[in-house]
Amino acid sequence: NAGVMQNPRHLVRRRGQEARLRCSPMKGHSHVYWYRQLPEEGLKFMVYLQKENIIDESGMPKERFSAEFPKEGPSILRIQQVVRGDSAAYFCASSPPLWAEMNTEAFFGQGTRLTVV
Amino acid sequence: AQKITQTQPGMFVQEKEAVTLDCTYDTSDPSYGLFWYKQPSSGEMIFLIYQGSYDQQNATEGRYSLNFQKARKSANLVISASQLGDSAMYFCAIGYSTLTFGKGTMLLVSP
Repeated sequence: NAGVMQNPRHLVRRRGQEARLRCSPMKGHSHVYWYRQLPEEGLKFMVYLQKENIIDESGMPKERFSAEFPKEGPSILRIQQVVRGDSAAYFCASSPPLWAEMNTEAFFGQGTRLTVV
Repeated sequence: AQKITQTQPGMFVQEKEAVTLDCTYDTSDPSYGLFWYKQPSSGEMIFLIYQGSYDQQNATEGRYSLNFQKARKSANLVISASQLGDSAMYFCAIGYSTLTFGKGTMLLVSP
């Protein structure tokens, strides 16, 4: 799981600023998943992306949140005009492309801890 | 929709003993995977073990084994010979591609 790289590890933003979280998947993986963990809770799915394509964004808040996974470069989770309630740990996972079968290996990055002050 | 229930907020075990962490699930999908993760105080999510819904045998990975009872919709994690380093939060999850997590069980291992 060390192969999924997230940065920054910690991010502090003032209310109203923008937060950009980056995720580089494991080598050979072209699917990326973002999850959010609020204090004292489990992870909640936000969005699932392939390169240049959003597969499932059913867990994304309707406003202020967006995600992309460009052809080149890391996946970005962007939060505009952050509020205190956005403070959480944001995790990224990646998986290989060839599983019309199931995802049997869901390795996570170390997470980005966003604090909104 | 899928749901995971972990009924034990906290568990205590002595070093070298075995411990079982409970997980029950609900899903309407015919095919799914069950996962366990460990989250130590440092915060990272460490993948422990996976069980496919059609796997005939219970999954094992070192000291971790998954007691999978499909009819009961349970996927309990068994940790044998607990170590102090096993103290952490443990999360059960279900999914096909995206995962649904439970609220977790805090395990404390005492000397």
